[in-house]
Amino acid sequence: EDQVTQSPEALRLQEGESSSLNCSYTVSGLRGLFWYRQDPGKGPEFLFTLYSAGEEKEKERLKATLTKKESFLHITAPKPEDSATYLCAVLGSNSGYALNFGKGTSLLVTP
Amino acid sequence: NAGVTQTPKFQVLKTGQSMTLQCAQDMNHNSMYWYRQDPGMGLRLIYYSASEGTTDKGEVPNGYNVSRLNKREFSLRLESAAPSQTSVYFCASSEYEAPYEQYFGPGTRLTVT
Repeated sequence: EDQVTQSPEALRLQEGESSSLNCSYTVSGLRGLFWYRQDPGKGPEFLFTLYSAGEEKEKERLKATLTKKESFLHITAPKPEDSATYLCAVLGSNSGYALNFGKGTSLLVTP
Repeated sequence: NAGVTQTPKFQVLKTGQSMTLQCAQDMNHNSMYWYRQDPGMGLRLIYYSASEGTTDKGEVPNGYNVSRLNKREFSLRLESAAPSQTSVYFCASSEYEAPYEQYFGPGTRLTVT
């Protein structure tokens, strides 16, 4: 059974203080690993898809990386507007169309 | 281009009442999904429709039914609401081939008393 574990559950950073969020996963035949951002009261917003170990993708202050067991979302010099919950999900070869989501990391960036 | 839209945004039901949550997408996607999100549980798939004319159960289908009305619209029905169905419901859509990423609507917050 596919499993996704995100850590930490919550993270508080000062503006400009870089850090990383972790997503550990087990899956039969990874078809994709997905990162989403979710603001309070809103739906998840798609950020990145990673398909194979060694792949990296960047968007503004965010960079996602992938190994065979985990993915990291690196946040460089964060700003208060980066505060949100970040969700990781995997799609395995036995999953059909079902994304398996982790419980998320709640990030707070203070001025 | 509105993406994925959901109605209503909020709803309060009494135990035993029924209702239908509506979802529409304008991205010409083949696949559509219904999730629920509960504190501490993450997002869980209720039902999905890989393509027009097909529907399949997800992880937590009990107490729900779905209808894929056409390529754009996918509705979720609660026939007899229970307090355990108090949750935030999200609809999503995607292609059924790579890149697989799903795009979500703004959600419906449902309370069953």
